[in-house]
Amino acid sequence: DAKTTQPTSMDCAEGRAANLPCNHSTISGNEYVYWYRQIHSQGPQYIIHGLKNNETNEMASLIITEDRKSSTLILPHATLRDTAVYYCIVPSGGSNYKLTFGKGTLLTVNP
Amino acid sequence: NAGVTQTPKFRILKIGQSMTLQCAQDMNHNYMYWYRQDPGMGLKLIYYSVGAGITDKGEVPNGYNVSRSTTEDFPLRLELAAPSQTSVYFCASSPRNSGRPYGEQFFGPGTRLTVL
Repeated sequence: DAKTTQPTSMDCAEGRAANLPCNHSTISGNEYVYWYRQIHSQGPQYIIHGLKNNETNEMASLIITEDRKSSTLILPHATLRDTAVYYCIVPSGGSNYKLTFGKGTLLTVNP
Repeated sequence: NAGVTQTPKFRILKIGQSMTLQCAQDMNHNYMYWYRQDPGMGLKLIYYSVGAGITDKGEVPNGYNVSRSTTEDFPLRLELAAPSQTSVYFCASSPRNSGRPYGEQFFGPGTRLTVL
């Protein structure tokens, strides 16, 4: 997988937007960016993915820079339930089904 | 749909014992996976399957075996359990859709295994 770099931890106030960065400077043209999260003791949960355009769904928005070397996951109105580890993943080439989960970013949403 | 189900939820094994972790999905997904997660770490892929009768090794397959006789079930077998296999095991599945990437995986709740 293309290497990704994420901050170890971040804090966010409840109700505010949470912006989680990810660097993937070695990404190649056909590789997607995936975001998952893992709430304590639960299985990971898929959030969103994108190739080059910005994407939005009911959970979050994904902003990918024009050079595709970094991206930002945005939770527009963070709640206490959004406290979790967030993983940014770039599967290699055609193996989009073999994901490598690093240590991710622990997002703590504070009241 | 129940999604991905795993049994048991918890298990304690003695060194050298064997057991099978069960995983089932009712979403008719072609792809299924087994991961392990050690404390404070990310998930590591043990084995995966792209369809019934087809399995392949992931990053950490030693000490484990799998089979895929049906689309729905993907059991993970531990032979001769060792303390290093103490971990949380997650099963996942994903669909194969023409023209789409396959990275959207659906995870089960996990099995917490302790080997003493």
